[in-house]
Amino acid sequence: GENVEQHPSTLSVQEGDSAVIKCTYSDSASNYFPWYKQELGKRPQLIIDIRSNVGEKKDQRIAVTLNKTAKHFSLHITETQPEDSAVYFCAASMGTGTASKLTFGTGTRLQVTL
Amino acid sequence: NAGVTQTPKFRVLKTGQSMTLLCAQDMNHEYMYWYRQDPGMGLRLIHYSVGEGTTAKGEVPDGYNVSRLKKQNFLLGLESAAPSQTSVYFCASSLFRDSYNEQFFGPGTRLTVL
Repeated sequence: GENVEQHPSTLSVQEGDSAVIKCTYSDSASNYFPWYKQELGKRPQLIIDIRSNVGEKKDQRIAVTLNKTAKHFSLHITETQPEDSAVYFCAASMGTGTASKLTFGTGTRLQVTL
Repeated sequence: NAGVTQTPKFRVLKTGQSMTLLCAQDMNHEYMYWYRQDPGMGLRLIHYSVGEGTTAKGEVPDGYNVSRLKKQNFLLGLESAAPSQTSVYFCASSLFRDSYNEQFFGPGTRLTVL
């Protein structure tokens, strides 16, 4: 089955700096890569996603890049703010029906300090 | 719309007791999922369903059973609870379309098994 590795497990940045979280996946058939944000005590929520036919996607201060050849994808957050502090999860899936299940990375705890 | 709801929010069980967690969604989603979240291990898929009357095993199915008798409900059962099942349980649902699979999560159930 699919295996997703995520690094780093913790990341501390100063407000205004950029943050980068990296994930690798094992199954070349994976074609959908979402990122979820989970604030303390809350449910995970989708913040951005990308399909395998796209190399980069941006949404205001967040962007995701995908390298299919190397089987890795990254989340970039620019101009970080205290409200960006949370745990971020990457995930991968490979299709419809029973292949639609997401395999999650183990999470990155981002701390934005003043 | 209430989105995805879970009952109960908290529960304490003794080893060997049984219980059922209920997940309900009002978004007419076909796909529903049960995850457990443990510190440092991310979200791990227990069971999932791609439609009413169907279920499939995920990554960590042992000790759990599920049923999807109605499209809007997905039940997770623990027949004989063990301390290793102490965790936070999240239900999610999705409307799979064009390989996008945004999953909407419920608020979670914190289960402690003594």
